[in-house]
Amino acid sequence: EADIYQTPRYLVIGTGKKITLECSQTMGHDKMYWYQQDPGMELHLIHYSYGVNSTEKGDLSSESTVSRIRTEHFPLTLESARPSHTSQYLCASQFGGEAFFGQGTRLTVV
Amino acid sequence: AQTVTQSQPEMSVQEAETVTLSCTYDTSENNYYLFWYKQPPSRQMILVIRQEAYKQQNATENRFSVNFQKAAKSFSLKISDSQLGDTAMYFCAFIHTGNQFYFGTGTSLTVIP
Repeated sequence: EADIYQTPRYLVIGTGKKITLECSQTMGHDKMYWYQQDPGMELHLIHYSYGVNSTEKGDLSSESTVSRIRTEHFPLTLESARPSHTSQYLCASQFGGEAFFGQGTRLTVV
Repeated sequence: AQTVTQSQPEMSVQEAETVTLSCTYDTSENNYYLFWYKQPPSRQMILVIRQEAYKQQNATENRFSVNFQKAAKSFSLKISDSQLGDTAMYFCAFIHTGNQFYFGTGTSLTVIP
């Protein structure tokens, strides 16, 4: 398995709370991505980064924000969680035309 | 715009038999990569097989092989001798030099004992 880690794996949180989903990779890859995926459904790109201090929004509009201060770290933050944010969030890095995925964070907002 | 289409939301196959998952894509690029990724239930997404567009020879990885038809923009995955562990969502994906992945909607494959 690839060296890309997401924490937490599962999170249940109340509406209005601020949360940060962590993603780290030890491979030194410049390109990293966040995808949102509902169960059994397609992946939607919500953010990506091509290197330190580079972040862009993806195809799917999202109320989340990301930062990329270090190559290995690409956290995603929700300032005020809502039930509509309930989903699985997948982090990935890319090198040499191949994507490496973390195990995902399954977020439930109640 | 780039798109990836998987027209089979769900499929099933008897253990030890062969199944083919379909994928078509649309792009104006000439140099790109195509992939099949596997996502088992509650497990990490992993790469199954990869094909470079400039290669005419179809990629093969053990029981997994592809039928790459560049002119038709078709990229199907054949799984031979299906095993219970093959049960998963399968995503077809495409990347070109723009470095952004495009995924299909997935095919849920169930291997029946």
